[in-house]
Amino acid sequence: DSGVTQTPKHLITATGQRVTLRCSPRSGDLSVYWYQQSLDQGLQFLIQYYNGEERAKGNILERFSAQQFPDLHSELNLSSLELGDSALYFCASSVFAGKYNEQFFGPGTRLTVL
Amino acid sequence: GENVEQHPSTLSVQEGDSAVIKCTYSDSASNYFPWYKQELGKRPQLIIDIRSNVGEKKDQRIAVTLNKTAKHFSLHITETQPEDSAVYFCAGGGNEKLTFGTGTRLTIIP
Repeated sequence: DSGVTQTPKHLITATGQRVTLRCSPRSGDLSVYWYQQSLDQGLQFLIQYYNGEERAKGNILERFSAQQFPDLHSELNLSSLELGDSALYFCASSVFAGKYNEQFFGPGTRLTVL
Repeated sequence: GENVEQHPSTLSVQEGDSAVIKCTYSDSASNYFPWYKQELGKRPQLIIDIRSNVGEKKDQRIAVTLNKTAKHFSLHITETQPEDSAVYFCAGGGNEKLTFGTGTRLTIIP
């Protein structure tokens, strides 16, 4: 157990819908990262937050947005969902923002868009 | 931006033999290269990392080598065991974020 929690574990929804994925980082970690892992694909970096502010952006679609709240938990919002958005979404956290900090991954949220 | 390529995509190795996974990167500014292991149905976990100021790092049965000139780095697992079966991801980072490779599915054959 990494100490990073993600809810829900599974999510099944329809095309065109909107969902929110939630992540609570390890106690004391200030940085949160979101990744998308499609079937047989690598980890695609979406976005990073550090202490409430956006720190780095990756291949995140305009339909997706995220935020980190004062209590440091983070939410990833996915809207106008398409079939291709079906994937495993991981959240990771680290103490600080720099790349040298080990990232601890949560268990993931499996999103299925029908 | 950084582009990390990983080979092979699948690898089967007899138990006890060695396994080697290779990655190349494009950004010469990248200076940090971690490796993550993801067992079936589980989360990725860091197993070893290397910074660009060293050429090799070992931790028991695993080692990572880095060739900055050629811009490639490799993961070496010796005396493989069944519990080494997993998907392994390399990553490279030159600025704040890491770029991950597409993963190698390693299967250890008993």
